[in-house]
Amino acid sequence: DQQVKQNSPSLSVQEGRISILNCDYTNSMFDYFLWYKKYPAEGPTFLISISSIKDKNEDGRFTVFLNKSAKHLSLHIVPSQPGDSAVYFCAASAGATNKLIFGTGTLLAVQP
Amino acid sequence: EAGVVQSPRYKIIEKKQPVAFWCNPISGHNTLYWYRQNLGQGPELLIRYENEEAVDDSQLPKDRFSAERLKGVDSTLKIQPAELGDSAVYLCASSRVYSGNTIYFGEGSWLTVV
Repeated sequence: DQQVKQNSPSLSVQEGRISILNCDYTNSMFDYFLWYKKYPAEGPTFLISISSIKDKNEDGRFTVFLNKSAKHLSLHIVPSQPGDSAVYFCAASAGATNKLIFGTGTLLAVQP
Repeated sequence: EAGVVQSPRYKIIEKKQPVAFWCNPISGHNTLYWYRQNLGQGPELLIRYENEEAVDDSQLPKDRFSAERLKGVDSTLKIQPAELGDSAVYLCASSRVYSGNTIYFGEGSWLTVV
C-alpha cells in the first residue's frame, strides 16, 4: 500500500527552464509534507516543506504547491541548474507522529 | 552545527554474520530515527526514539534486528544474523521536537551481505 506516490521515475530538463516534480498521496490524515534531495552516496537532504494549512511555500528557486482536494503536491524549481541533478523524494506525515512516509523518488537530470 | 554522524559508511559481510551501525544525532535533537532504504525505493522507518524510549518499532524485524539508545543520545542498530535481503542503506536521522518538524538525515551506512 503505497501511501505516497511519485509516478515519474525520472525527469530531464534543460538548464534555465522550470523543473516540476509531482507527488500524490492517498492518506487524508497527512498534514505535513516535505521534499528531500539526495545525491549519490549521500543521505537525503531537506529541501522545503509545507503544512496542510497552506497551499504554497517558497524558498528561493524552490516552490512547493499543495492541492489538498486532489491529494497532490508539486515541487517547482526555477530556474533549474545542473547542480539540481539528484533524486528528489516526497514525504508526508500525519498528526503528532512525525513518522515520515516517503515516495519512491524522481531522478532529475538538468542538462547544461 | 555538526550534522547526524553515522559509522561505518560501508560494510560488506557474509550472510549469517552480525553487523552493527552507530549514530550520533544533532546536538539537542531528542528524537532519533533509523530508516532503511532499498535500491530504487524511498526510506522506510525501522524505529523511532524519543529520548531513550522506543516509541515506534512496529517496522523493526525483531527476530534479527535490535536497537538501543542509551542515555538518550547516540544509538546502535544491530542485525544478527544478517541475510542477503538485508543489503540496503541504513539511515539515521534526528529531529528537535515530536511533531511537524523537519527530520535531518545522516549520510547512511551502506550494507552489502554476500
